[in-house]
Amino acid sequence: GENVEQHPSTLSVQEGDSAVIKCTYSDSASNYFPWYKQELGKGPQLIIDIRSNVGEKKDQRIAVTLNKTAKHFSLHITETQPEDSAVYFCAASDANDYKLSFGAGTTVTVRA
Amino acid sequence: IAGITQAPTSQILAAGRRMTLRCTQDMRHNAMYWYRQDLGLGLRLIHYSNTAGTTGKGEVPDGYSVSRANTDDFPLTLASAVPSQTSVYFCASSDSLGGAGYTFGSGTRLTVV
Repeated sequence: GENVEQHPSTLSVQEGDSAVIKCTYSDSASNYFPWYKQELGKGPQLIIDIRSNVGEKKDQRIAVTLNKTAKHFSLHITETQPEDSAVYFCAASDANDYKLSFGAGTTVTVRA
Repeated sequence: IAGITQAPTSQILAAGRRMTLRCTQDMRHNAMYWYRQDLGLGLRLIHYSNTAGTTGKGEVPDGYSVSRANTDDFPLTLASAVPSQTSVYFCASSDSLGGAGYTFGSGTRLTVV
């Protein structure tokens, strides 16, 4: 099955700086890579996703990049704000499965 | 508001007791899932159901059972709780092959003492 590894496990950044979280996956058949944000006491929520036919996708201050050859993808948050403090999960899935395989999560803290 | 409802929100349970965590969705999604979330281990899949009437085992199924009698409900049962089942449990659903459209509930915090 799919194995998704996520780094770092914790990340502390100064407000206004950028944050980068990296994930690798094992199954070359995976073609869908979403990112979820989990705020304290809540369930994870989708913030951005990318499919294998695209190398980069942006949505305001967040962007995701995908390198299918190397089997890794990354989340970039620019101009970080205190409300970006949360746990972020990467995930991967292939076209023949409903299920997502998740990374272990990254706790991001934005220092004011 | 469409989404997933989990109950209870939290529970303290004596070891050896039976417990059912409830999950209901109103989005008519085909697939439903149960995950447990533990510090440093992320979201681990316990059981899943791709459609009503079918279920499957995930990464950590031991000690848990599920049923899917209809589209909307997907209860998770701990037959005889043990302290290692202390965790936060999330129910999720999706309607698409390929992983898109995942929606999570707000979670149930379970403490087994």
